[in-house]
Parts: sequence; C-alpha cells; structure tokens
Amino acid sequence: SQQGEEDPQALSIQEGENATMNCSYKTSINNLQWYRQNSGRGLVHLILIRSNEREKHSGRLRVTLDTSKKSSSLLITASRAADTASYFCATDEYGNKLVFGAGTILRVKS
Amino acid sequence: DGGITQSPKYLFRKEGQNVTLSCEQNLNHDAMYWYRQDPGQGLRLIYYSQIVNDFQKGDIAEGYSVSREKKESFPLTVTSAQKNPTAFYLCASSIRGDGFTEAFFGQGTRLTVV
Repeated sequence: SQQGEEDPQALSIQEGENATMNCSYKTSINNLQWYRQNSGRGLVHLILIRSNEREKHSGRLRVTLDTSKKSSSLLITASRAADTASYFCATDEYGNKLVFGAGTILRVKS
Repeated sequence: DGGITQSPKYLFRKEGQNVTLSCEQNLNHDAMYWYRQDPGQGLRLIYYSQIVNDFQKGDIAEGYSVSREKKESFPLTVTSAQKNPTAFYLCASSIRGDGFTEAFFGQGTRLTVV
C-alpha cells in the first residue's frame, strides 16, 4: 500500500525560486518523514515531523503537517541546482514500518 | 564509520536462477527493511524485520525470501518465482523507539535479468 502520495509528480523551477511539494496519507501516523534521492543512489533523510507538531524548520527546509487533512508539505526556499533530486515522504505506519510515496521529481535550472 | 552497506552494486541474473543481495549495517539498529524501486516510481516494501530471527512480509513479498540471523545482516534472496525481478533494490535500517526514527539507506543494488 502506498501510504504517502506526493504531488506534483514533477516540478521544474529556476534557481532561487521556492519549491513546494505535497504529501497525502491515509491512516493515523506517529510521524512523517521526508527523504531525498539523487539519481541511482540511496535515500537520505531530510526531516521528521511528529504527529503532535504542525511545523518544523531545518535550514532552507520547512515542513508542515495537518493531521486533520492527513497531509504534509515540504518547502525548499531559495533553491539551488544541487537540490535537483527526487523527494519522498514516508509515514511511520503504526510504529511497525515505514511506507513511502511515489515521490516528486524536482529539477532546478541554473 | 557507521553505515549500511549493500553488495553488489550491479547484479545480473539469468532467468530461473536465485540470487542473494547482501545488506550489512554497523549502526546497531534493530529494524531493517528491503524496498524495491522501479524506474520513476516510489519505494515498495518487500520485507522488514524489527528484531533478530523475526521478519514480516511487506506489500510485494511474493518471489522473495529473507533471513535475519544476525542483527547486522538482512540478506534478500530473489527467487525464480519472482517473474519480473529487474529493479533497483534498497536496504535500510532504523531505530524503533517511539515510532520509527530516520531510516539510513544503502546505495542500492541494481538487478537485471538477462
């Protein structure tokens, strides 16, 4: 089951612009996490937000969580060409396993 | 350096053969996972293990088998029963406390059926 579903599927922006990606999920969660994957590589953890948190910041990343709507968003501010990657949300499903969505492919043009 | 290591990076399999993908971690993590990723797709969970000598099927376990005899190791066997095994396989590990903490991923194994 794909718990997290990201949108858009693909996003292309100019360097310096902000990028926003959204994630929706279906069941109750302990936390929601965002990961980044460069082409052909493993995933790297970016940020975790717990179910009792509404917003979290880390450097140029800002994550929001709305448990009533079962949705989260990831904002990358002042994007750089090096931010080009795929971004995935993952939900901690009942504390038993991490379930990933289909991802958003971000391309930042310089 | 602590981390999670997958080997080999590339693997070629003839139809009808079983192959085993290696995953080793020295992070002292209890939980380990195997995911499959097809081109342009997300990660689908194959098997996961929360503790030594115990593992559970994920969403696409058919045609795969695992073992967890040691905390550090979680090998995945792709059997001949898996009809479409060509994919990118990712192993991960995490601490399981109050919900799962961040997962650490290996660099993946790209399996191709020839």
